[in-house]
Amino acid sequence: DTGVSQNPRHKITKRGQNVTFRCDPISEHNRLYWYRQTLGQGPEFLTYFQNEAQLEKSRLLSDRFSAERPKGSFSTLEIQRTEQGDSAMYLCASSRPGLGTYSGANVLTFGAGSRLTVL
Amino acid sequence: EDQVTQSPEALRLQEGESSSLNCSYTVSGLRGLFWYRQDPGKGPEFLFTLYSAGEEKEKERLKATLTKKESFLHITAPKPEDSATYLCAVTVSARQLTFGSGTQLTVLP
Repeated sequence: DTGVSQNPRHKITKRGQNVTFRCDPISEHNRLYWYRQTLGQGPEFLTYFQNEAQLEKSRLLSDRFSAERPKGSFSTLEIQRTEQGDSAMYLCASSRPGLGTYSGANVLTFGAGSRLTVL
Repeated sequence: EDQVTQSPEALRLQEGESSSLNCSYTVSGLRGLFWYRQDPGKGPEFLFTLYSAGEEKEKERLKATLTKKESFLHITAPKPEDSATYLCAVTVSARQLTFGSGTQLTVLP
């Protein structure tokens, strides 16, 4: 088990370009999450998948953002027509249910993140 | 709307100088409170989960406690390797966590 893997680790792009990030979760984890983190702030929730179904999306997730998780394995987060305000660290996390007193209160394992800089 | 406030924003301690970090929260129907540690350039690393008021958990020099309105992360005799940003998060739906802005801890040798 190598943990949650994210690629690329760093991406520099020009405003208006499209970018895509990939996340490979821990193999036995069926839940996958995307978060965004800016400097000095905590991570902000973007979206949640259980297996291949996208079950929750934050209102932060504008229509320029799309996430997929085909076959319930890896996930991609695409940002179209990037803006300078999209510059942030994009974090992926995965979890499995059933841990803890409340079976739904999962422990998330985060990847190292993909840092996006939009010029 | 769920809110999580952490204080102080930054804390500098001498090695061995114990202290506490605070996390106050306003949520409807808390399902769990989490503490994570984040090193520069890395993703958050899980430390503790607390589920009900009065619960306490310990790990090495760290001890987390929970009341109905706040949680504390106590650091006893910290070492330089404890330097990191400590993040608090709450969940009500188990589908997402709401994080605070974190406390940046620096432990000087």
